[in-house]
Amino acid sequence: DIVMTQTPLSSPVTLGQPASISCRSSQSLVHSDGNTYLSWLQQRPGQPPRLLIYKISNRFSGVPDRFSGSGAGTDFTLKISRVEAEDVGVYYCMQATQFPWTFGQGTKVEIK
Amino acid sequence: QVQLVESGGGVVQPGGSLRLSCAASGFTFSSYGMHWVRQAPGKGLEWVAFIRYDGSNKYYADSVKGRFTISRDNSKNTLYLQMNSLRAEDTAVYYCARYHDAFDIWGQGTMVTVSS
Repeated sequence: DIVMTQTPLSSPVTLGQPASISCRSSQSLVHSDGNTYLSWLQQRPGQPPRLLIYKISNRFSGVPDRFSGSGAGTDFTLKISRVEAEDVGVYYCMQATQFPWTFGQGTKVEIK
Repeated sequence: QVQLVESGGGVVQPGGSLRLSCAASGFTFSSYGMHWVRQAPGKGLEWVAFIRYDGSNKYYADSVKGRFTISRDNSKNTLYLQMNSLRAEDTAVYYCARYHDAFDIWGQGTMVTVSS
C-alpha cells in the first residue's frame, strides 16, 4: 500500500500569514495514464471533507485562489497564501493512483 | 443541486449486519464511480470501497474485504454498502463520495456504532 505522510501534523498560524503543508508518498504517484492523482481535502469541524485541489495543482470549483498545490512524483505541498478564520480545520492529502487509495494522517490548522 | 445523502446508520451489536444507502441527485449517477470512506471518532479518513460506474468492478480495503459489499442501483440513483460481521473497530461515520479525478462530492455521513 502507498503510505502518505504529512508534515506538520499541527500548524498554528497567525491570521493573514501563510501556511504550508507537506505530503510525501512512499512511492511515485504517477499513474500509467500519465496523470498524478494527488488531491487535497479540507475538513472543517463537524463537517464532511471538501475537495480543494486535485491532480496536484488544480483548484476545485469555488475554492479561493489563496489555496494552491504543487509538487511531483512523491513530494507535494499545499499552500495557503493568507490564512483566514474560515480555513481552520484538518487538511488531508490523498492518492488515487493505486488501490487501496490512501490518505495522509491529517494536518490541523488553527489560529494562534 | 448535486447532492449525496447517506442513511441506514445506527447501533448494532458485534457480529451484526447493517446496510447503508447513499441517494444521489443533481447529476447523472450512472456515469460516475462511487466510493465509501469512513472516519472513526476523532481519527482520520479511511477509504473503504469503490464501485465502477456500471458496477462491473469493485475494490475493497483489506480491513473490510470479505465482510462488506458495495453495490449500486443506477435505476434508483442509489449506492449501497452491506456490512456483515461487524466489529467494534468498524465504528465510524461512513461517507459516500463521488469520484471524478478526485472525491469531488461528499455526503454528510451516517454514523455506525458497533457495541454490545
